[in-house]
Amino acid sequence: GAVVSQHPSRVICKSGTSVKIECRSLDFQATTMFWYRQFPKQSLMLMATSNEGSKATYEQGVEKDKFLINHASLTLSTLTVTSAHPEDSSFYICSASRGGAEAFFGQGTRLTVV
Amino acid sequence: AQRVTQPEKLLSVFKGAPVELKCNYSYSGSPELFWYVQYSRQRLQLLLRHISRESIKGFTADLNKGETSFHLKKPFAQEEDSAMYYCAPPSRGGYNKLIFGAGTRLAVHP
Repeated sequence: GAVVSQHPSRVICKSGTSVKIECRSLDFQATTMFWYRQFPKQSLMLMATSNEGSKATYEQGVEKDKFLINHASLTLSTLTVTSAHPEDSSFYICSASRGGAEAFFGQGTRLTVV
Repeated sequence: AQRVTQPEKLLSVFKGAPVELKCNYSYSGSPELFWYVQYSRQRLQLLLRHISRESIKGFTADLNKGETSFHLKKPFAQEEDSAMYYCAPPSRGGYNKLIFGAGTRLAVHP
């Protein structure tokens, strides 16, 4: 149990376009979801925390208008990278909590902006 | 600020050697801490949590309140242990957000 599915696993988009990444909790209700960005051989950098039905809380330095997060249901959160640029290319990971102390992670999405 | 700290970015050992991945915390009381592991090309997954006091894949971790540490230990490292290891707080309650430390890359050489 406690599976988190992230889609797509890889995406290539043109500079200036927007791309949406979905994070779904398949067999539990995720009260809180976290979005991370991970650079090669580095730790996960928390971008934002979202609670179902509420606005996401963004970490300092993360542009809200650039990285739109929606957590409309207890099983789905989306991250939309708007007007993507090559510097947005990265590995994005979502994590979900069902109210307990443990977090469950998606497989990640590799975004390449060309 | 309340956080976990992993002072070593890389730990390189030979197969069969003991390993200790360090984690220090600044939370008060007895925090419920976790170790997560990320193997190459796999998602992050829970390795163990201190509250269960279990041993997973030969790894153990004990909360030391005096030293405010939660070091991860294994007496005999295996090549398949090579991965990124992250010490982390819980994802709920007063902690509110799950912020990872820098992580430690464990490289086990044959």
